[in-house]
Parts: sequence; structure tokens; C-alpha cells
Amino acid sequence: EVQVVESGGGLVQPGGSLRLSCPASGLIFSSHWMSWVRQAPGKGLEWVANINQDGSDTYYVDSVKGRFTISRDNAKNSLYLQMNSLRAEDTAIYYCAAWSESGGWFDPWGQGTLVTVSS
Amino acid sequence: DIQMTQSPSSVSASVGDRVTITCRASQDIRSWLAWYQQTPGKAPKLLVYLASRLQSGVSSRFSGSGSGTDFTLTITSLQPEDFATYYCQQANSFPLTFGPGTKVDIK
Repeated sequence: EVQVVESGGGLVQPGGSLRLSCPASGLIFSSHWMSWVRQAPGKGLEWVANINQDGSDTYYVDSVKGRFTISRDNAKNSLYLQMNSLRAEDTAIYYCAAWSESGGWFDPWGQGTLVTVSS
Repeated sequence: DIQMTQSPSSVSASVGDRVTITCRASQDIRSWLAWYQQTPGKAPKLLVYLASRLQSGVSSRFSGSGSGTDFTLTITSLQPEDFATYYCQQANSFPLTFGPGTKVDIK
């Protein structure tokens, strides 16, 4: 069974930092693009970042550029999201997902981890 | 950036009904479109990719169609487990963008 499981969420003050992790199992991790997608409370889905198979290519939504960094460790089958200079508007459930390069869809998704930015 | 819109924003329907959700892209995205289902407290689930291809394991009640800028997701014979929010997503170019969602609830 393919599984991705996020961790690292929590409460952080504005301006603070947090690192999310997402170990994956049941898939050839090093063969997949990976993504982070977020969902603010009661809101819709927002793509955050993508990374290619070897980590040499990354893409970000404008609102997180320069603050967030997506990375991966293929030896550990793990995806990461380093989030700095956090703002209240970054409060959301963050989902890790595999991304299909051949068609652009997200599958599978993790269960999500909640990040709350508040003083 | 490519903007995605969905209509209706919500629909009330009964078990057994046929429901059609429309998604429109602000520019031509060919067939680079996916549909997802999300129930409260759960992660989104992929239903359809490349506009019309049903994901493995997804009920044949679901079907997708369209290309270019206009797309539809149809649910035939609505079942209790289908009451959820549905999102479209374009994959033609970065930034990847989602529609605002369509909530299907019980009439």
C-alpha cells in the first residue's frame, strides 16, 4: 500500500519557522515528483511547491517564494518543507502528495498536518 | 497564472440524482485537468485525470469530459458516500491551480 505521512505541524508565532516532513512508503520514491498542497481552515486547496526526482528542480507559489524551501532525501524516502518567516495567512493543513509528471495530478495524498501561525 | 472557476459553488441533490459540475480555465489547458473529491476531515482523493481518465478504483458513476477551457464532472446515480466537495485542478503550467470547489450536499 502506498503511504505518505506528514509530520511536524504545530503552533508557531508569526515570524517563526517550522519544518514539515513526509516519509513515503510503497512507492519508488526516487522516481516521483513530490508536492506540498495546503488548505486554510474552511477554504479550498492551494498548491505550494513541487520538487523533481533528484531535487534539482523546484517550483513555488508566489506567496511562499523566498520563505519556504522544498527538499527531499531519496535515501530516506522523505520529503520536507522548511517554512521560515511564517505569517498568519500560512495557517493551514499541509498535505504531502506525489505528483504525476506525465499528467499533472496529485496522488496519493497524506492525511495532512496542521500548521497554526498565531501569537 | 491560470485561473480556475467552478459552477455551481454548491448543489443540493438526492440519492439517485445525476449531478454535473462545470470547471472553466482562464486559458487553454488542453486536457491537463484533474478532479478530486474531499469529504470533511479527509485528504482529497483523485477521481479523474487528463480530463476524462478514471482513476483506478474509482466508481464508474464518475466521469469527466472536456478539453481546452471547459470541463465537466458528472456523477450518475448519486450515492450517500458521494456527498462531498469536488475540486478541479489544472496541470498545464506552474503555478498549479485549483478551482474553488463545489459542495454537493443532501437535499
